[in-house]
Amino acid sequence: DQQVKQNSPSLSVQEGRISILNCDYTNSMFDYFLWYKKYPAEGPTFLISISSIKDKNEDGRFTVFLNKSAKHLSLHIVPSQPGDSAVYFCAASANTDKLIFGTGTRLQVFP
Amino acid sequence: GAGVSQTPSNKVTEKGKYVELRCDPISGHTALYWYRQSLGQGPEFLIYFQGTGAADDSGLPNDRFFAVRPEGSVSTLKIQRTERGDSAVYLCASSLTGQGAHNEQFFGPGTRLTVL
Repeated sequence: DQQVKQNSPSLSVQEGRISILNCDYTNSMFDYFLWYKKYPAEGPTFLISISSIKDKNEDGRFTVFLNKSAKHLSLHIVPSQPGDSAVYFCAASANTDKLIFGTGTRLQVFP
Repeated sequence: GAGVSQTPSNKVTEKGKYVELRCDPISGHTALYWYRQSLGQGPEFLIYFQGTGAADDSGLPNDRFFAVRPEGSVSTLKIQRTERGDSAVYLCASSLTGQGAHNEQFFGPGTRLTVL
């Protein structure tokens, strides 16, 4: 039973364009959402997060949008850079430290 | 500064053997987490320590899995009678205080366990 879903296993975007990564969840108790980025042979690194009381959080080139009614969040990266090429994981928690991760989306940014 | 370190980086064992995986958290971090990432999947929560005690062990799949953190710093994940299905990357993370997902979890590079 996958509570956090990332339905696109991969995404390819040209450098300078916008990358949009999507995530859906089923558990209405989730109150905090995070995006992690992972390079090969490294652990995931925190990128950006959003509380369920907000609908948008922005940090430089990265913006996360939350649509609670649709149980959907998205990560926008603009402009995309080749160094952004990595696997991106969406994660959620329900007022605990326990993170529930999606299966990840591999982003490739090409010149 | 030093991040989370995990040893060994790779472990190959035979079915039925016992293995121990070690995690050194960031100095001063009171919370420590173990996750498991199988091929093509995202990290899956196993257990979370606050200090020396296991605050949440709901993710441990069965009684072959056990973890300790006797002095509130280094943690060891122990797997008895390993099975081929235990093959995965075992990730450790730490956070300064725990007490909520808003406290950033810093991940180590993981230990890749292969059970033949």
